Amino acid sequence: QVQLQESGPGLVKPSQTLSLTCTVSGGSLTSGSYHWTWIRQPAGRGLEWIGHISNSGTTNYNSSLQGRVTISLDTSKNQFSLKLSSVTAADTALYFCARDSYIGSYYWFDYWGQGTLVTVSS
Amino acid sequence: EIVLTQSPATLSLSPGERATLSCRASQRVSSFLAWYQQKPGQAPRLLIYDTSNRATGIPPRFSGSGSGTDFTLTISSLEPEDFAVYYCQQRSNWPLFGGGTKVEIK
Repeated sequence: QVQLQESGPGLVKPSQTLSLTCTVSGGSLTSGSYHWTWIRQPAGRGLEWIGHISNSGTTNYNSSLQGRVTISLDTSKNQFSLKLSSVTAADTALYFCARDSYIGSYYWFDYWGQGTLVTVSS
Repeated sequence: EIVLTQSPATLSLSPGERATLSCRASQRVSSFLAWYQQKPGQAPRLLIYDTSNRATGIPPRFSGSGSGTDFTLTISSLEPEDFAVYYCQQRSNWPLFGGGTKVEIK
């Protein structure tokens, strides 16, 4: 059973860089055809896709965050990471990591972490 | 850019009743639409993919239908554990979610 677990600071100061890590267990980051994904959810609101990285290292980001977001892989630790620079209060949210799997005709999010709350505040 | 509009925002029903949730896309999205269930304090769970296929372990009371721009999630008879928020999701240039429908106990 694949499990994902987010980790990282829960409080980040404005203008600084938010850094989160997702540790994957029960499966290898490099096997299969998956997109390793970050999604966020501001309190009381809907879900926003941030971006993903494939097991080959190809990245794709939400254009609304382009230039501020970087997703990377650490295959030796079976982890992938998110960095979001120049954060503001608008980046305060519950951040999820998820696996995007090819199911049926396209890719869908079949495994999720429990989420980690990040607050941007001085 | 495609926008997904879910309605109603809140659906108040009793256990045993039928729930019908709508997701309307601003442009045609083919069959690449999914539905997720999210309970408080939990991550979303994939229910339906490719418009009408149930994900692994999802009971048959959940069904999806639709095409083009109009999609529906139906829960045939609500169980107590079905009261949650439901999101539709499609893939255009990137994955995009609707605003959600909360199914609450009446």
